Amino acid sequence: DQQVKQNSPSLSVQEGRISILNCDYTNSMFDYFLWYKKYPAEGPTFLISISSIKDKNEDGRFTVFLNKSAKHLSLHIVPSQPGDSAVYFCAASHQTGANNLFFGTGTRLTVIP
Amino acid sequence: DAGVIQSPRHEVTEMGQEVTLRCKPISGHNSLFWYRQTMMRGLELLIYFNNNVPIDDSGMPEDRFSAKMPNASFSTLKIQPSEPRDSAVYFCASSLGSGEKLFFGSGTQLSVL
Repeated sequence: DQQVKQNSPSLSVQEGRISILNCDYTNSMFDYFLWYKKYPAEGPTFLISISSIKDKNEDGRFTVFLNKSAKHLSLHIVPSQPGDSAVYFCAASHQTGANNLFFGTGTRLTVIP
Repeated sequence: DAGVIQSPRHEVTEMGQEVTLRCKPISGHNSLFWYRQTMMRGLELLIYFNNNVPIDDSGMPEDRFSAKMPNASFSTLKIQPSEPRDSAVYFCASSLGSGEKLFFGSGTQLSVL
């Protein structure tokens, strides 16, 4: 039973444009959300996170938005670069920590030069 | 500065054989996680150790799966006997502690024929 859902398996965006990756969750107890990025033949690497006390967190070209009432979060990348092409995993946890980290199925982003 | 090291990178085996996956976490990290990645379910937590002690193994799919952490620098995930449905990428990750950012290894691509 998937508690974190990424309904778009893939997304293609032109270089320089905005990439928007979406994630939905079902468990209202989740209060910490993360995005991980994964290149082929490598493990996922942490990208950005947000606590439920915020609705936005920004780090350079990456911004995560959280809509608690809709149980929805999104990752915005602007401007998109070819090096951003990767699989992006959304994850969520309770405050108890990473042992309760639930991942989505991932969205493959392709940034076209 | 070495990250999480997993071996082998690829494993091809026949149904019924025993498979052992190995992981060396980052030195100083006291939490270790085993994840399995599939297309359908994304990244699933199999088992989690804290200070070499298994804390949560509720994600281990069957008795055919077992994991050990004999010391702070080594862990194994064993599947005996293996089945074709076990084919997936298995990731090991470590962190400084509960609630801290996860650092993933490059994974083991397992194919059971």
